[in-house]
Amino acid sequence: AQSVTQLDSQVPVFEEAPVELRCNYSSSVSVYLFWYVQYPNQGLQLLLKYLSGSTLVKGINGFEAEFNKSQTSFHLRKPSVHISDTAEYFCAVSDLDTDKLIFGTGTRLQVFP
Amino acid sequence: NAGVTQTPKFQVLKTGQSMTLQCAQDMNHNSMYWYRQDPGMGLRLIYYSASEGTTDKGEVPNGYNVSRLNKREFSLRLESAAPSQTSVYFCASSLKPGLATTGELFFGEGSRLTVL
Repeated sequence: AQSVTQLDSQVPVFEEAPVELRCNYSSSVSVYLFWYVQYPNQGLQLLLKYLSGSTLVKGINGFEAEFNKSQTSFHLRKPSVHISDTAEYFCAVSDLDTDKLIFGTGTRLQVFP
Repeated sequence: NAGVTQTPKFQVLKTGQSMTLQCAQDMNHNSMYWYRQDPGMGLRLIYYSASEGTTDKGEVPNGYNVSRLNKREFSLRLESAAPSQTSVYFCASSLKPGLATTGELFFGEGSRLTVL
């Protein structure tokens, strides 16, 4: 079965600084990968996804992620964060055997002025 | 544009009480899901319904029951609440039964349940 690891539970960063949120998944022949964002007191919404094709995928709000098959990683990046990016970010991987999405434990991004 | 609507948003129960969380979606989606979110554990799937008339267990089904009332509505019932069920519950829906196909879930705003 698939699993996903988000190494950082919290990432503090100053406004306009770059940020990287790390995500690693267990090895599989092929996977689909996703990042979801949860703003305070809201449900999750899809930020971006990788199904196939280009390994660099762009999402909403200036975020992007790179699929690295050899390192089994799907790190999320943004070159310059805003206060409004403060939220919890979840990496997810599709388990093709069970046809379910497996979520990581989340990374709380805190942007300071 | 309601999307996925959950009720109630907050509930406090005593151990042993029962309650039902309601979920409705207006996007004509086929599949619906119930997750629970606990600190440090991410989201865990409780039950899901791939299509109207079907339900299946997820990762943590014990202590819960579900009903897919029609295509729009999917309810989660706690028959005898326990403190371990204190959590935030999210309902979600997707267009297609196969999550691996689209990967896009649409979430409600959550229901915060406390069991004393």
